[in-house]
Amino acid sequence: GAGVSQSPRYKVTKRGQDVALRCDPISGHVSLYWYRQALGQGPEFLTYFNYEAQQDKSGLPNDRFSAERPEGSISTLTIQRTEQRDSAMYRCASSSSGTGYSGANVLTFGAGSRLTVL
Amino acid sequence: SQQGEEDPQALSIQEGENATMNCSYKTSINNLQWYRQNSGRGLVHLILIRSNEREKHSGRLRVTLDTSKKSSSLLITASRAADTASYFCATVTYSSASKIIFGSGTRLSIRP
Repeated sequence: GAGVSQSPRYKVTKRGQDVALRCDPISGHVSLYWYRQALGQGPEFLTYFNYEAQQDKSGLPNDRFSAERPEGSISTLTIQRTEQRDSAMYRCASSSSGTGYSGANVLTFGAGSRLTVL
Repeated sequence: SQQGEEDPQALSIQEGENATMNCSYKTSINNLQWYRQNSGRGLVHLILIRSNEREKHSGRLRVTLDTSKKSSSLLITASRAADTASYFCATVTYSSASKIIFGSGTRLSIRP
């Protein structure tokens, strides 16, 4: 597509429920990133993919968080057994460059998915 | 974890003045990027500077990089109301050359 699309834009859920956030990157973009952003803070790195391979998941807070990108395009970030502290804006970004040392991984961000856990 | 720290955290200037914000980082970088975010919306890429570059310009933006001090600055000249936003630096390190880490941001307000 023309831009990075995220859905749902808003998700309200009850504590203990599972949620799945979807990201549809720019067509042909190799790399896909997930960030979490609290109000007034910078984006906090969660994980990223090159094609379908998850290259780094060091930012995932705990094992309730997982992400996949099975066909190297659309990605899903899943949070199991949600807790109130998971409430945040979750942002996805994609980049055309997947080769690390070329050093030109400019990110295009989606509008984000705002998660509220009651 | 945050790699970059922006300074100041908040800046308010008169329209037409220049705005300077700084970013310090901890580990050696491959490149450093600046992004803008308006009112909680998505982040937009502004400019990228590579580790072997010292200065770069794009329109009213000027970025400098001092790798010996592990710091960068973003200068916005002749500020406009539309420049009101949060500005973030983001670093790509050699150790993980595709992992992009953002700083905590500078909130810039332009007074009319």
